[in-house]
Amino acid sequence: NAGVMQNPRHLVRRRGQEARLRCSPMKGHSHVYWYRQLPEEGLKFMVYLQKENIIDESGMPKERFSAEFPKEGPSILRIQQVVRGDSAAYFCASSPLRQGETQYFGPGTRLLVL
Amino acid sequence: GNSVTQMEGPVTLSEEAFLTINCTYTATGYPSLFWYVQYPGEGLQLLLKATKADDKGSNKGFEATYRKETTSFHLEKGSVQVSDSAVYFCALSEEGQNFVFGPGTRLSVLP
Repeated sequence: NAGVMQNPRHLVRRRGQEARLRCSPMKGHSHVYWYRQLPEEGLKFMVYLQKENIIDESGMPKERFSAEFPKEGPSILRIQQVVRGDSAAYFCASSPLRQGETQYFGPGTRLLVL
Repeated sequence: GNSVTQMEGPVTLSEEAFLTINCTYTATGYPSLFWYVQYPGEGLQLLLKATKADDKGSNKGFEATYRKETTSFHLEKGSVQVSDSAVYFCALSEEGQNFVFGPGTRLSVLP
């Protein structure tokens, strides 16, 4: 039973480029969460999605960041016009049935903006 | 709102020492409590959990007991190994709400 998958594991972008981070939840899981972790810091919630719906995006920056979880395919976190401050590890987690259940994490995507 | 407080790190221990990482929480309802572990360069892995008062979660020699009277969920292990070196996160969740994570406690175990 494959766990949560994220790709790429490492992503290097220059300032102003776009970053696309992909997350495939565990089989049977319909809830996806994205978190950001800055170096030596804890996790910051960004967004919670179900299939085709954004449920809670209270942790997302208002500009340049967007997320989707289409009916088919992985969830995508998109960062437009990246800046150096976007450099961080981005983790995806999934849960099976409802918010508040145990979350299972992917290995993360480490974004470096040059 | 809900919150989780963990002891400040880093914690440095010798192999086979006893480990305690304190975690206390504030919640409006009846949360589930979790410990996650993050090894270097990896994502968070669920270590153990407890869903109601007086439950004890345990895994890989780690234990934590859900204490409602002291709003605590302290992580313990009787004899740590070098391979336990990692960052440990305490977290809580309530149905219909987002997870709340503590800031993490870095553990270093020396041979």
